[in-house]
Amino acid sequence: KNQVEQSPQSLIILEGKNCTLQCNYTVSPFSNLRWYKQDTGRGPVSLTIMTFSENTKSNGRYTATLDADTKQSSLHITASQLSDSASYICVVSASESNFGNEKLTFGTGTRLTIIP
Amino acid sequence: DTGVSQDPRHKITKRGQNVTFRCDPISEHNRLYWYRQTLGQGPEFLTYFQNEAQLEKSRLLSDRFSAERPKGSFSTLEIQRTEQGDSAMYLCASSPWGAGDNEQFFGPGTRLTVL
Repeated sequence: KNQVEQSPQSLIILEGKNCTLQCNYTVSPFSNLRWYKQDTGRGPVSLTIMTFSENTKSNGRYTATLDADTKQSSLHITASQLSDSASYICVVSASESNFGNEKLTFGTGTRLTIIP
Repeated sequence: DTGVSQDPRHKITKRGQNVTFRCDPISEHNRLYWYRQTLGQGPEFLTYFQNEAQLEKSRLLSDRFSAERPKGSFSTLEIQRTEQGDSAMYLCASSPWGAGDNEQFFGPGTRLTVL
């Protein structure tokens, strides 16, 4: 069964500090891995997308890593801001071909709270 | 705004009533997805369309749920005889289709509360 597990479930840090969120997955066949940011009551917004051959990808203060051998990913947030308070969801895509349904397996998310 | 839009954003209904949600995808996207998300959980796949064809339905989609995309543009999701367990956020996403990255772009969701 395809699964995505995230840790920690929740995290509270001071504004300006860095943090790292973890994602482990068992999804096959692997197509890509995405990190989404979801504000309360809103839809998820994509932060990064990584394919099998990519080890790291940055988007501003967000840096995602992928180790396809160990099936692990991390999202590192640098110099956190109050607006970073949200749920961060790791999503792994399994797609047997470009013509089939892109099946997304979602983690349950890490709830990040930034305090001033 | 050229993103995915959903209407209404919030819906409160009594158990047993029917409700219908609408999703307008990004105009050039021919794939449209519906997901359900309960509190503290990630979204769960319900169904998806390619143009007007409904190609896959999750077993989560009971016979009280029906989705349509009649002209391959906007889509509706109807829930008949709502139950309290239907209370959730219903998310719509759209994506282009073809070779390469088929990233799904999500709408803001419709929050359903069944009393």
